[in-house]
This record gives sequence, C-alpha cells and structure tokens, in this order.
Amino acid sequence: EAGVTQFPSHSVIEKGQTVTLRCDPISGHDNLYWYRRVMGKEIKFLLHFVKESKQDESGMPNNRFLAERTGGTYSTLKVQPAELEDSGVYFCASSQEPWDMLFGPGTRLTVT
Amino acid sequence: QKEVEQDPGPLSVPEGAIVSLNCTYSNSAFQYFMWYRQYSRKGPELLMYTYSSGNKEDGRFTAQVDKSSKYISLFIRDSQPSDSATYLCAMSEVDTGRRALTFGSGTRLQVQP
Repeated sequence: EAGVTQFPSHSVIEKGQTVTLRCDPISGHDNLYWYRRVMGKEIKFLLHFVKESKQDESGMPNNRFLAERTGGTYSTLKVQPAELEDSGVYFCASSQEPWDMLFGPGTRLTVT
Repeated sequence: QKEVEQDPGPLSVPEGAIVSLNCTYSNSAFQYFMWYRQYSRKGPELLMYTYSSGNKEDGRFTAQVDKSSKYISLFIRDSQPSDSATYLCAMSEVDTGRRALTFGSGTRLQVQP
C-alpha cells in the first residue's frame, strides 16, 4: 500500500511569490495533518483535518497560510505571499487512530 | 520552557551497544507517546507507540513511559550501523480531543561499525 505522498519534494521561490504544497494521505485515513520544521527547530504542528473539516488550526502561523482538503481526500497548503522565515521542511501525515500517525517524505521549501 | 525536552546529541556508540534515548515533558495531559526514526532528507518513520505508563517491546526496541516522572525512554539493543539516524520523541493529548503531536528536537545517533 502506498504511504503518504507529497509534491513537490523541493521548491525554491522568491519572497512575495506563492507556493502550493500538495499531500495525498493513506487511503482510508480520515485524519490529515500538516507540520513543519524550520532550521534548527523541532517539528511543529500546523493544522489537523478530519475528512474535509478543519479540526484544529491552532498551529497556523498567520493568515498567509491557507490549507484545504478537497472532498476529504488530498490536501493543499498554500503560502501567499511567501516570506523568508517560511523556509523549512513541510511534512504531511495521516492517521486513522491516535497512535498510527504516518508521515510523508516532506516538501523542502526555500524562500530567497 | 519547551513542553518536550530531548538531548540533541550526537550520541556515538559502537556496534552491538545498548542505546538509551530519553525525553522529558511538562504537559500532564499527554497520553500517547511515540518514537519516530528519521533518516537524512526523509520523513519521520513511526517506530513504536505507548499509551499512558508502562513498557512495550518490539524486537530490539523497548519503549518505557514513567508518567509520575514525566519521562520516556527508548532502548535499542544490539545496535547496528543501520540504526544511525535521528530519533524523535512525540506526544499527544488525545483525551482532550487534540490529536496534534508535540515533538522533541530529536537525538542524532551514530552507530560505529
């Protein structure tokens, strides 16, 4: 069975541009999460979807970040406009139970 | 103060050694405790989870949780060079309805052949 997939694997954009990250969770997993790791820091939670609904978006840093989950399947995370401090690795994870959160390979975002 | 503290290492051990990795935490609402392994440029890979207090064993890996001390451990027996990676502890509340994981900063482990 395929794991969590993320696209692109790496994105380099200029400050002020827009970037959209995509995540395809494991089939059948109702829960989908976004996390990110900025340089030198621990992985931090951004938000949690249950099916297509946002359950918890307490970790979203500001209104430049917009997450959607279409029909309870794949999810996108848009950053508009991107700032230098948005650089980092963005991870998506999915789970059905609290103990089986499985992560994707991440998208490395570089804002120059 | 961070909710989860983890020594970043690096920790270097010879092949075959027993490795002990630890995290402390401050949030008494944490109920699920996970250990992830992360290789360079890859996503975190779930190794083990424990619910509440107690021990859990899976092959060469043993996870321990002491909720009274707010302290969790991962032991690796007969360590192998392929175990060289960053090990991340992570915790979640769940009973409060919040499923987000709170991570430690990760410990880099190097197993020397």
